[in-house]
Amino acid sequence: TQLLEQSPQFLSIQEGENLTVYCNSSSVFSSLQWYRQEPGEGPVLLVTVVTGGEVKKLKRLTFQFGDARKDSSLHITAAQPGDTGLYLCAGASDAGGTSYGKLTFGQGTILTVHP
Amino acid sequence: GAGVSQSPRYKVAKRGQDVALRCDPISGHVSLFWYQQALGQGPEFLTYFQNEAQLDKSGLPSDRFFAERPEGSVSTLKIQRTQQEDSAVYLCASSLGTGRDRYEQYFGPGTRLTVT
Repeated sequence: TQLLEQSPQFLSIQEGENLTVYCNSSSVFSSLQWYRQEPGEGPVLLVTVVTGGEVKKLKRLTFQFGDARKDSSLHITAAQPGDTGLYLCAGASDAGGTSYGKLTFGQGTILTVHP
Repeated sequence: GAGVSQSPRYKVAKRGQDVALRCDPISGHVSLFWYQQALGQGPEFLTYFQNEAQLDKSGLPSDRFFAERPEGSVSTLKIQRTQQEDSAVYLCASSLGTGRDRYEQYFGPGTRLTVT
């Protein structure tokens, strides 16, 4: 069974601070996605990374996929109240006949940014 | 709309009742997934369809759970004889299913099921 450990579980910060969320596994993933979910809504895809060592930037968000494709991080610069939400990492593996993109999710990080 | 839609958004069922949850995926998306999400947790995989074929049902928690996608578009997740532990948000997601796009799933808003 593949597991993704996400940390921290809760993060409460002031507007303007920087933060990093981590996603770790002992398993290798073919791809790693980050999603953001707001209450009462489904997860919204932020980014997909597929290459070990890959770094992607989306405005104030920076995503990194580990060289061994077992871990990832999400860094937010100068957080804003609008960044508040549940952040989820999810990995897909092509192993064991699951090349259709079956996702394993982390437990999520609840981020609260105070004005 | 162009997104994934689910209905109903909220469902309250008495223990022992049967429920049916509907998912309308994005038009043209080959792959369809169902996930179960407990409060404050990440979604957990239930089942996967490629067109009308159910290729993976390894995540269904018991034989009370049944899913179908008879024409390769709309899907229904049915739960028979609901139990309190079935209370959760049920999410549907779809993807193009090929190449790198197979990793990018687009989620519906979910159905919140409460079993009393």
